[in-house]
Amino acid sequence: KQEVTQIPAALSVPEGENLVLNCSFTDSAIYNLQWFRQDPGKGLTSLLLIQSSQREQTSGRLNASLDKSSGRSTLYIAASQPGDSATYLCAVDNNNDMRFGAGTRLTVKP
Amino acid sequence: DAGITQSPRYKITETGRQVTLMCHQTWSHSYMFWYRQDLGHGLRLIYYSAAADITDKGEVPDGYVVSRSKTENFPLTLESATRSQTSVYFCASSPFSRSDTQYFGPGTRLTVL
Repeated sequence: KQEVTQIPAALSVPEGENLVLNCSFTDSAIYNLQWFRQDPGKGLTSLLLIQSSQREQTSGRLNASLDKSSGRSTLYIAASQPGDSATYLCAVDNNNDMRFGAGTRLTVKP
Repeated sequence: DAGITQSPRYKITETGRQVTLMCHQTWSHSYMFWYRQDLGHGLRLIYYSAAADITDKGEVPDGYVVSRSKTENFPLTLESATRSQTSVYFCASSPFSRSDTQYFGPGTRLTVL
C-alpha cells in the first residue's frame, strides 16, 4: 500500500523567501504525482501534475520536481508572498489508486 | 455558475439517521469522486464514478452508498450515520480519467452527534 509523507507539517517563512516543500512516497511505481493547494475552509486547487515520465513541471513561481527512484517530490516556491499561505498537499497516483499526504501548512509573514 | 458545487455546506445530524450529500458539476466531466478529510488521515477516497451508472469503491467505502443516474450529479448517502463519519466531505471531478487533474468542490462539513 502506497504511503505518502509530507514533512514538515508546518512551515513559517518571511515574505520574499524561496522555499521547498517535500513529499515522499514508498512505492515508486507511480503513474503521476499532483500538488494541490488548500485554503482554510475551501476545497483543493490543483497546482501542478507531473507524469511519471517527467522530471519537473513549472507554473509561474512554482516548480515541482519528481524523482521516482528515491520516492521524492519537491515543490519549490520562489519569492514567497503572503497570498501563498495555505496548506499544500501532494497526491500520488498508482494506476488509479490516488493517495494523499497530510499536507504542509505554509504561513508567509509580511 | 459553472463549476462543481456541494450541498449542504454544513450539516449536523444524529447517530442512526440517513444523510445525503449532494454534488453537482457543470463541465460534463466523466469522472466524479467522493473524499473525506480527517485530521491525521489526510484525504481518503470513498467512492468514484467513471460515468453515469458506473461506480466503484475507493479506500474507505463502508457505511456509504453512491449513485450516478446523471453525468452531472453524484450524491453520497450515509444510510445510518455514525460518529466516526464526522468529517469534511469533498466531491471532485476530472475530465477523462482518474489520473487527470481533479477539480474539487468547496466541501461539506458533517457532524454526527
